[in-house]
Parts: sequence; structure tokens; C-alpha cells
Amino acid sequence: EAQVTQNPRYLITVTGKKLTVTCSQNMNHEYMSWYRQDPGLGLRQIYYSMNVEVTDKGDVPEGYKVSRKEKRNFPLILESPSPNQTSLYFCASSSGVALSQYFGPGTRLTVT
Amino acid sequence: DAKTTQPNSMESNEEEPVHLPCNHSTISGTDYIHWYRQLPSQGPEYVIHGLTSNVNNRMASLAIAEDRKSSTLILHRATLRDAAVYYCILRATNTLSGTYKYIFGTGTRLKVLA
Repeated sequence: EAQVTQNPRYLITVTGKKLTVTCSQNMNHEYMSWYRQDPGLGLRQIYYSMNVEVTDKGDVPEGYKVSRKEKRNFPLILESPSPNQTSLYFCASSSGVALSQYFGPGTRLTVT
Repeated sequence: DAKTTQPNSMESNEEEPVHLPCNHSTISGTDYIHWYRQLPSQGPEYVIHGLTSNVNNRMASLAIAEDRKSSTLILHRATLRDAAVYYCILRATNTLSGTYKYIFGTGTRLKVLA
């Protein structure tokens, strides 16, 4: 089954404790992306990757890091989480040709 | 960056057509117009996309204004399962680098009345 998986689905952590949210896709997609969703603000793109070793900033990259060492994986790293990073996070992937994105189920992160 | 503007909410009766508008007056010539919808407690799912011409697929139709400053997503017969938040999105291309990013609007919450 074609899918995008994210782990963990729920995470409660404390300010400053480094964390990684994993994202994996099994569709051999070139393009992968991370979004955060906040009430009243819709979805905003954090980082995206056109292919392995090619990443770029979206609209809200501050406080986040990403890496793309393999085509299927695109982890989101919060080196020092802060309460304003409490949000619902979505990973997505797409084939450049098809254009449509497939979204993961989301990761709800709470930073206290 | 270009942005999109959508009404916060709309209502429709079941089995009737629904026209969901979107303004994107600062769109660039290479920006694709995408529509996604998000059902409760799920990630967004693709609905349709276009560049200049009107588009049809099994889910919906997309009507793009001639000047591309606005577009309309058309659901031909709304069902209760179509109740969702519909996002109008621009896929903005950086013509120098060839990379592209997605700019979401805040979405329209569609309520379908039985």
C-alpha cells in the first residue's frame, strides 16, 4: 500500500530536549516536505526536499532542521524545542511529474 | 510570496453543486493552483490542480479565471462525505533554482446539510 508514515504520532516533551520526528514514504517520490498546522493559520511549509541531499527552507524554518540522506526518509529535527513549536506536523511526498502530494497522518507535538 | 484568500466557511445542501472561490491576485506565471481537502483528524488529500486551463477529474472541476487571479473549485453534487476544510494552494516555482514550494491558504470549512 502506498503510504507516508510518521513517528511518533503523539509526543509531549519539555523545552530544550532535542527530538526527531521521522517520516518515511514507500512510493519512490523525489519531493518530500514538512508542514505545521496551527489553528487559524492553516498549513505552513517548514522545509522541503527536491531529492536526496537537496533541501530548502519553506515559510517557517526557524527552529527546525531536516536531512535527506535516503530517498524514502525525511526526518524533522528540533534541536531545542520551545512551546511555540507546539503544533500538528504533517509530512508529505510527491513525484515531481504527478505533482499531487500524499500526506502522512500527522504528529501532534506538545512542548511544555 | 504569492498568497491565497478563501472564505472561512460555506454551507451547501446535499446533492447540490458547490462553488468554492479562491483569490490569488499575486500569482506568478509559473505557479500551479492546487486544491486539497482535509477531513477531520486526517492529513490533507489531493483534489485537483491546474495551471491555466479548466480541469476536470472524478472528484471535482477547477475553473481558472483568464487572468489567473482567481479560481473556483466545483463539487458537482455535494455529499455528506464532502464536509471538510478545502485548501487553495499555490505551488510556487523558483525559476532560478527549479525548486518549488507550496503556499497554503487558511482554507474554507464546507458544511453539507442533509
